[in-house]
Amino acid sequence: DAGVIQSPRHEVTEMGQEVTLRCKPISGHDYLFWYRQTMMRGLELLIYFNNNVPIDDSGMPEDRFSAKMPNASFSTLKIQPSEPRDSAVYFCASTAGRNTEAFFGQGTRLTVV
Amino acid sequence: AQSVTQLDSHVSVSEGTPVLLRCNYSSSYSPSLFWYVQHPNKGLQLLLKYTSAATLVKGINGFEAEFKKSETSFHLTKPSAHMSDATEYFCVVSDLTGFQKLVFGTGTRLLVSP
Repeated sequence: DAGVIQSPRHEVTEMGQEVTLRCKPISGHDYLFWYRQTMMRGLELLIYFNNNVPIDDSGMPEDRFSAKMPNASFSTLKIQPSEPRDSAVYFCASTAGRNTEAFFGQGTRLTVV
Repeated sequence: AQSVTQLDSHVSVSEGTPVLLRCNYSSSYSPSLFWYVQHPNKGLQLLLKYTSAATLVKGINGFEAEFKKSETSFHLTKPSAHMSDATEYFCVVSDLTGFQKLVFGTGTRLLVSP
């Protein structure tokens, strides 16, 4: 397996634009996590899914953020409209179940200007 | 709800000396605990994990951690630091029961001087 795949690796967009980040988890994994990493706040859990169902989205900062997992092999994190304070590295991770290792993607570095 | 506290934002050691990165956790139930390492401009990699088996856990690259329930701690150690160990380390907690919500600490940056 190629691991967790995120796209794009880098995204630069203007304030107010819609941004969509994509993640392909490892095949067979039933948990998927979205994290945001900044210098100020470290690694924050935004939302996680189990068997494609959102379990906890309490970390999603505002209604501008939304995440979907239409099937077991794909998830999106959307920001609409984007703001400069959304600039961060966004990581996706997947696991094969409770108490197993989480595998992380390489991250998407988002810059909103 | 579970949480972790990494007591030091930075730790500085000399090459060849022991490493101690401290982590305390809070969990309503029996926890799973992990240490992850993040190399620059890369994702995160698992160093080791504790999931209610042996309390002393050995990981990759000579790292180990001991689960101490009485102290709610899971400190990461290495007998002898190497220059390549200099990077960021994260302590992570998850409840053993229920859904697996992985909560990260704020990270500890390890600096290794020659």
